[in-house]
Amino acid sequence: DTEVTQTPKHLVMGMTNKKSLKCEQHMGHRAMYWYKQKAKKPPELMFVYSYEKLSINESVPSRFSPECPNSSLLNLHLHALQPEDSALYLCASSPSETESRVYGYTFGSGTRLTVV
Amino acid sequence: AQSVTQLDSHVSVSEGTPVLLRCNYSSSYSPSLFWYVQHPNKGLQLLLKYTSAATLVKGINGFEAEFKKSETSFHLTKPSAHMSDAAEYFCVVRDNYGQNFVFGPGTRLSVLP
Repeated sequence: DTEVTQTPKHLVMGMTNKKSLKCEQHMGHRAMYWYKQKAKKPPELMFVYSYEKLSINESVPSRFSPECPNSSLLNLHLHALQPEDSALYLCASSPSETESRVYGYTFGSGTRLTVV
Repeated sequence: AQSVTQLDSHVSVSEGTPVLLRCNYSSSYSPSLFWYVQHPNKGLQLLLKYTSAATLVKGINGFEAEFKKSETSFHLTKPSAHMSDAAEYFCVVRDNYGQNFVFGPGTRLSVLP
């Protein structure tokens, strides 16, 4: 299995809702990443998990809350989002943070989030 | 500090003609360089990578790129464009000491029939 699976593919939520995005990989990768991508822009790093511990938080607002329950699973919990948070949310993984220099990242297909 | 410049925001070619997407990078240390492709409303797929081995790198779908340290470039080429190549292409750099990837702004490739 060489894929990163993201669910749901599309999500529409109101500004008072609570929702979660899910990312799963079974490649034995120990580094996992959340990116946010606005239209016609490159992905922007949000969070990095390394061996299930939060390694990097790129000053992301607290309305985004990541969680890594185990080495295969990465969640992004969403609460009280704003319309400007509408974007494509991409999950990625690599064997480790260090080995990403050699192997690159494997990306999921993303969740298209619309906040209304 | 690392940075990536993709000189063209949009490139348009005719089907069957060569493709050239340009990428220049800045890195304090020996970099790894990657090209990713993103089709509309999809995730990013790795096309090819340079990680300090051969400077001419071959990737999937007939793409290749050449690492030129003297020019700090890593341009992406393909001899003959196909309609399915129409997508957004990102050049990415990661050096030995940087923790994460730095993405270029992207180049949108259009392929005309």
